[in-house]
Amino acid sequence: DAGITQSPRHKVTETGTPVTLRCHQTENHRYMYWYRQDPGHGLRLIHYSYGVKDTDKGEVSDGYSVSRSKTEDFLLTLESATSSQTSVYFCAISEGTSTGELFFGEGSRLTVL
Amino acid sequence: SQQGEEDPQALSIQEGENATMNCSYKTSINNLQWYRQNSGRGLVHLILIRSNEREKHSGRLRVTLDTSKKSSSLLITASRAADTASYFCATDIIQGAQKLVFGQGTRLTINP
Repeated sequence: DAGITQSPRHKVTETGTPVTLRCHQTENHRYMYWYRQDPGHGLRLIHYSYGVKDTDKGEVSDGYSVSRSKTEDFLLTLESATSSQTSVYFCAISEGTSTGELFFGEGSRLTVL
Repeated sequence: SQQGEEDPQALSIQEGENATMNCSYKTSINNLQWYRQNSGRGLVHLILIRSNEREKHSGRLRVTLDTSKKSSSLLITASRAADTASYFCATDIIQGAQKLVFGQGTRLTINP
């Protein structure tokens, strides 16, 4: 199994509070991604990173920010959580999707009350 | 909007039968990948087919790609109860930046 660890795995928070999800990899892959998974929507890309301090937006980036200060860590922050951000969040890593696959973490289930 | 759309959304068959899932996409792609997700788990890569390939096999899996129709199919032969999972297609858009766009998935149930 690819060395990807997401934390926390489960979190319940209240509307308006900040939340940070962490993704840690031990594979030294260049690319890291945050997806959210919701019923009826499949997986949607929030943000991704193509190197340290290099990030870009995905299709559902509003309300989210990311940071990557080290190759192995990719943080997803919800500055002020809303109920619409209740979801399962997946981190993934890749050496490049043109030639290879994504390796996924086990997911972080976030509930915003 | 979703790049990939799977069909059917749900499929239930008997163990031993073959399962076929389809994926359609909208824009030109570099490659198409299929992933599997067991309940409550992360996605696991199954197979990658490039835009210049028409068919690919891996064990009991057979994937086809028709770029003229912008569609792909995943065939699982001799299904087993352990194949029960959700299956997703994902496309690597040529002009994208090393990112995959996923469809909504097909929920496959294998009945013993």
